Amino acid sequence: EAGVAQSPRYKIIEKRQSVAFWCNPISGHATLYWYQQILGQGPKLLIQFQNNGVVDDSQLPKDRFSAERLKGVDSTLKIQPAKLEDSAVYLCASSLLLNTDTQYFGPGTRLTVL
Amino acid sequence: GQNIDQPTEMTATEGAIVQINCTYQTSGFNGLFWYQQHAGEAPTFLSYNVLDGLEEKGRFSSFLSRSKGYSYLLLKELQMKDSASYLCAVSPGANNLFFGTGTRLTVIP
Repeated sequence: EAGVAQSPRYKIIEKRQSVAFWCNPISGHATLYWYQQILGQGPKLLIQFQNNGVVDDSQLPKDRFSAERLKGVDSTLKIQPAKLEDSAVYLCASSLLLNTDTQYFGPGTRLTVL
Repeated sequence: GQNIDQPTEMTATEGAIVQINCTYQTSGFNGLFWYQQHAGEAPTFLSYNVLDGLEEKGRFSSFLSRSKGYSYLLLKELQMKDSASYLCAVSPGANNLFFGTGTRLTVIP
């Protein structure tokens, strides 16, 4: 079974530029999550989708971050414009169901903002 | 609000046993997870506890006491490949996970 796919794996941009990340969850997984993991910290949830609907985006900085999952499968996370403090690893995870089902993580995208 | 405390770093010897503690305060509780994360890699699922007691899975065991807001991960017969960060995460409600900052374990020969 294929795991969660993410691209790109690495991205370096200058502040005020825009960037987009892509995630393809495990086939059949209804729930998709985007996390931000700053070096030395645990992952912090940014947004959670159930199929193509948003379940929780309370910690998403909506002035600069946006995410969509239009067809209920793959998803994109965008940052526009980027700030220095956005430098982090962006992890995508998926789970079969909502609630406490185990989340499976992708390899992440390491973003460096200069 | 949510809060999770776990030690920042631990060191243990190959072949030994190590216990990584986690205490939590959350507005709700729907289960506790442990994840392993090697440097530069994604977290991988280790264990899930929702009821009090010990869950054993090979060399790894996880314990939960809901009344004390306490869990630990026990690693036996340590191997060099066990050097990684261990993340304690709590599901406070129906929807998501709240992660601690992780414990970086270094296994030495």
